[in-house]
Amino acid sequence: GQQLNQSPQSMFIQEGEDVSMNCTSSSIFNTWLWYKQDPGEGPVLLIALYKAGELTSNGRLTAQFGITRKDSFLNISASIPSDVGIYFCAGRNRGSYIPTFGRGTSLIVHP
Amino acid sequence: SQTIHQWPATLVQPVGSPLSLECTVEGTSNPNLYWYRQAAGRGLQLLFYSVGIGQISSEVPQNLSASRPQDRQFILSSKKLLLSDSGFYLCAWSESGDGYTFGSGTRLTVV
Repeated sequence: GQQLNQSPQSMFIQEGEDVSMNCTSSSIFNTWLWYKQDPGEGPVLLIALYKAGELTSNGRLTAQFGITRKDSFLNISASIPSDVGIYFCAGRNRGSYIPTFGRGTSLIVHP
Repeated sequence: SQTIHQWPATLVQPVGSPLSLECTVEGTSNPNLYWYRQAAGRGLQLLFYSVGIGQISSEVPQNLSASRPQDRQFILSSKKLLLSDSGFYLCAWSESGDGYTFGSGTRLTVV
């Protein structure tokens, strides 16, 4: 099956720094999704991407659908303590009911 | 608007006891429904998904089973819990796979 490699696994940063994380796949996806999970909660959808090359922002978050369709990137600018959590990428192909999730990037922001 | 309800939030059960976790969705019809398990705060493992009443697909052989007795109700069950069944269980729904909305999760501890 399709494999998603999400990196980095963990990030420890200072408040105010920018953050970058990415996901790469062994094959193409038609949809990329980025989620954030707060401790003890279910993941919440941050950004959905539907076209190769698409760049979408949600506040301080920006995500891009890679041109090759095999990767996606999430950037967080000027991090704040409430950005702490686990960020998941997910890819899905048209006609499939099942998304493939990355293993997550754990983000810790030091005030 | 659509909402997803999952309960209970936490559960402590002895080994060998039965399990029933319930998930309901409101504000939509014929959703795709999913049960995930998350161990140690990382990685989402798909357990079951359903595209309609009575239609259940199992992704991983488990000590668990799922049922969908009504269109917007998804139940995760076990006849006899094992220690290894401990984890964070998440229900999710989607329409056409454009995004997956998760419930708030159930923390299950088997003792």
